[in-house]
Amino acid sequence: EAQVTQNPRYLITVTGKKLTVTCSQNMNHEYMSWYRQDPGLGLRQIYYSMNVEVTDKGDVPEGYKVSRKEKRNFPLILESPSPNQTSLYFCASSPSTGATYEQYFGPGTRLTVT
Amino acid sequence: GENVEQHPSTLSVQEGDSAVIKCTYSDSASNYFPWYKQELGKRPQLIIDIRSNVGEKKDQRIAVTLNKTAKHFSLHITETQPEDSAVYFCAATGTDKLIFGTGTRLQVFP
Repeated sequence: EAQVTQNPRYLITVTGKKLTVTCSQNMNHEYMSWYRQDPGLGLRQIYYSMNVEVTDKGDVPEGYKVSRKEKRNFPLILESPSPNQTSLYFCASSPSTGATYEQYFGPGTRLTVT
Repeated sequence: GENVEQHPSTLSVQEGDSAVIKCTYSDSASNYFPWYKQELGKRPQLIIDIRSNVGEKKDQRIAVTLNKTAKHFSLHITETQPEDSAVYFCAATGTDKLIFGTGTRLQVFP
């Protein structure tokens, strides 16, 4: 089944404790992206990647890191999480190298930082 | 910078009525305009999209119109049903990325 998976789905952590949210897609998509969703603010892009070893900042990259060592995986790293990073996170992938085709979203990761 | 504004933020309609959600964008180079539906607790899913060389597109009860001169596009849902209740997001392409609107919560009352 073609899909985007994320793990974990739920995470509660404390300020400053490094964490990684994994994202994987099995559709051989070029483009992958991370978004955070906050009430009243919609979906805001954190980082995106147009291909292996190619990543770029989105609109809200501060406090986040990503890597794209393999085409299928695009982990999101929070080196020192803070409470303002409490949010719902979505990974997405798309068959185009830009953003001009359907984005397929993962199920979401709800992160709480205390 | 690149921006997409979406209105209204909430919309309540009676079952069978029509619903219209409007978005404006700032980047004149935008050429792709998708709409996503997000049901409660679920991931966003594409319901319809339109490209800049087309003024209107329809898929059953859903239609999208685009006015490139005015830089706005709209989602039209006719004959609404309770299962249309969800949050709807518009988006427009920016530089190698999608810029999303802030969402419209649509409630359809039986």
